[in-house]
Amino acid sequence: DQQVKQNSPSLSVQEGRISILNCDYTNSMFDYFLWYKKYPAEGPTFLISISSIKDKNEDGRFTVFLNKSAKHLSLHIVPSQPGDSAVYFCAASDYNQGGKLIFGQGTELSVKP
Amino acid sequence: ETGVTQSPTHLIKTRGQQVTLRCSSQSGHNTVSWYQQALGQGPQFIFQYYREEENGRGNFPPRFSGLQFPNYSSELNVNALELDDSALYLCASSLIQGEETQYFGPGTRLLVL
Repeated sequence: DQQVKQNSPSLSVQEGRISILNCDYTNSMFDYFLWYKKYPAEGPTFLISISSIKDKNEDGRFTVFLNKSAKHLSLHIVPSQPGDSAVYFCAASDYNQGGKLIFGQGTELSVKP
Repeated sequence: ETGVTQSPTHLIKTRGQQVTLRCSSQSGHNTVSWYQQALGQGPQFIFQYYREEENGRGNFPPRFSGLQFPNYSSELNVNALELDDSALYLCASSLIQGEETQYFGPGTRLLVL
């Protein structure tokens, strides 16, 4: 049972344009959501997070949107840069489960110059 | 402030053997979690340790066990290795138990032949 899903395995975007990565979840008990970026041969790097009491969180070029009724979140990167090329994972947690993160399968973003 | 470190970076074992992977948490972090990432998948939660006690476990058999030491470093032990145990093993630390933002190490790539 895949509780967190990233349905697009890959995304290709032109440098300077917007990248939109999507994530869906099924467990309504999730109350915190995170995005991680992963380069080959490195561990996931924390990017941005959002609590379920908010619907938007912004940090520089990165914005995460949460639609609780649709159980959907998205990560917007504007403007996209070649250095953003990596695999992006969304993750969710339920505070009552003590910090256990449930990850999606990842989306590989390629930003072309 | 040092980040999360893991050793070794790569390891090759044969089926039936035992393996110990090591993790040093980020300075000041008292909670450590271990994840298994198979090729093409997102990380899967194995277990979490807080104050040297197991504090939550994912869907992994008892041959996966762990330890956390007073200095908050940690070990993951896997007995009776199987071919399917081949994966990237990630350690993540967080500042306090239950805090959802976890910071990952670079991982240990395990190959079981």
